[in-house]
Amino acid sequence: DAKTTQPNSMESNEEEPVHLPCNHSTISGTDYIHWYRQLPSQGPEYVIHGLTSNVNNRMASLAIAEDRKSSTLILHRATLRDAAVYYCILRDYNTDKLIFGTGTRLQVFP
Amino acid sequence: EPEVTQTPSHQVTQMGQEVILRCVPISNHLYFYWYRQILGQKVEFLVSFYNNEISEKSEIFDDQFSVERPDGSNFTLKIRSTKLEDSAMYFCASSEASLRVNSPLHFGNGTRLTVT
Repeated sequence: DAKTTQPNSMESNEEEPVHLPCNHSTISGTDYIHWYRQLPSQGPEYVIHGLTSNVNNRMASLAIAEDRKSSTLILHRATLRDAAVYYCILRDYNTDKLIFGTGTRLQVFP
Repeated sequence: EPEVTQTPSHQVTQMGQEVILRCVPISNHLYFYWYRQILGQKVEFLVSFYNNEISEKSEIFDDQFSVERPDGSNFTLKIRSTKLEDSAMYFCASSEASLRVNSPLHFGNGTRLTVT
């Protein structure tokens, strides 16, 4: 499975934008980029996914580098509820499983 | 918003005992999964299940583990003879379509299994 590298932790202030980076230099052409987050004492929660083009949904935006070797999850205005561990996951097109890494722990300060 | 529910929230069992963890997936979902997270470690895939069959499983999911959808609404994970190292948070998930078409997984809030 292709690997991702994320910073262990990041901090943000409430109502500021947050850019969460992910490196995946060994990504293959068929790997999809998925982001999930895990709030304290909860199960993981889907955030967004993409393949090549940038993606937006009500939760976040996903910016994917042209060479696909990195991506950035963008939270446009962080709230206290966004404090969580954010996982960047590469999913091979032919598999039913998500391989979670250690993720980035995001702290949001009032 | 519909959600995946898991019961019990915490289960304590003795080593060697059988345990069944229960999940009620979202009602129109067709794909079902179990993951686990040992305290302080990564979330790990155990098994995926579709059309009453296992579609994929990890090395962790050995002969001690089994899954079942007994009645069209519940999805269960059975551990036949629990070991200390089975202590973990077990998450059930479901999705409307296959993850192979990037259908998002919806996770429950987990059952914490403690084996003593």
